[in-house]
Amino acid sequence: AQSVTQPDIHITVSEGASLELRCNYSYGATPYLFWYVQSPGQGLQLLLKYFSGDTLVQGIKGFEAEFKRSQSSFNLRKPSVHWSDAAEYFCAVGSFSGGYNKLIFGAGTRLAVHP
Amino acid sequence: DTGVSQNPRHKITKRGQNVTFRCDPISEHNRLYWYRQTLGQGPEFLTYFQNEAQLEKSRLLSDRFSAERPKGSFSTLEIQRTEQGDSAMYLCASSPGQIPNTEAFFGQGTRLTVV
Repeated sequence: AQSVTQPDIHITVSEGASLELRCNYSYGATPYLFWYVQSPGQGLQLLLKYFSGDTLVQGIKGFEAEFKRSQSSFNLRKPSVHWSDAAEYFCAVGSFSGGYNKLIFGAGTRLAVHP
Repeated sequence: DTGVSQNPRHKITKRGQNVTFRCDPISEHNRLYWYRQTLGQGPEFLTYFQNEAQLEKSRLLSDRFSAERPKGSFSTLEIQRTEQGDSAMYLCASSPGQIPNTEAFFGQGTRLTVV
């Protein structure tokens, strides 16, 4: 069965520092992969997605992610974190069955940013 | 602009009562998804509609849960005889087409507390 693992429950970084959030997936075929962000009181917002082509994907808010098939990973990165990036981040894989895709989410990583 | 709208935003109910949530998707989005998110977990898929047809129900959706999407527009999720384990955030998402070719947009959710 398809699954997503986010090994880090909480991460704290200083403002201006670089960030990497880890995501590992389990999927038999070439996966569709996503990163979403959830701020308090807000809905999930799509940061970026991968489904083919270049394995380094650029997203909104200065985020990028790299798909590594050999490691079954899709880690999210940002070179310089801003205080407004404090939120919960979810990695997801598209699970195809019955003729459509649905999203399977990891448990999330909560990011805190110190001034 | 009207993103995905969910009502109510918060609901407190006594165990054993019935509750109903409403989701208004983005206009002309023919695909609609319901997810449940418990504390410390990522969203879990509950059910999927394409237009008015309910195409999949997760085994998480017990017989006490029912979802409808009359006329392929808004959707309702009803929980009968609520239990404390039903306490969670219920998220609705819609998309104009197949993921990942299109994006799934999420509402802010309905937080249910069963006391």
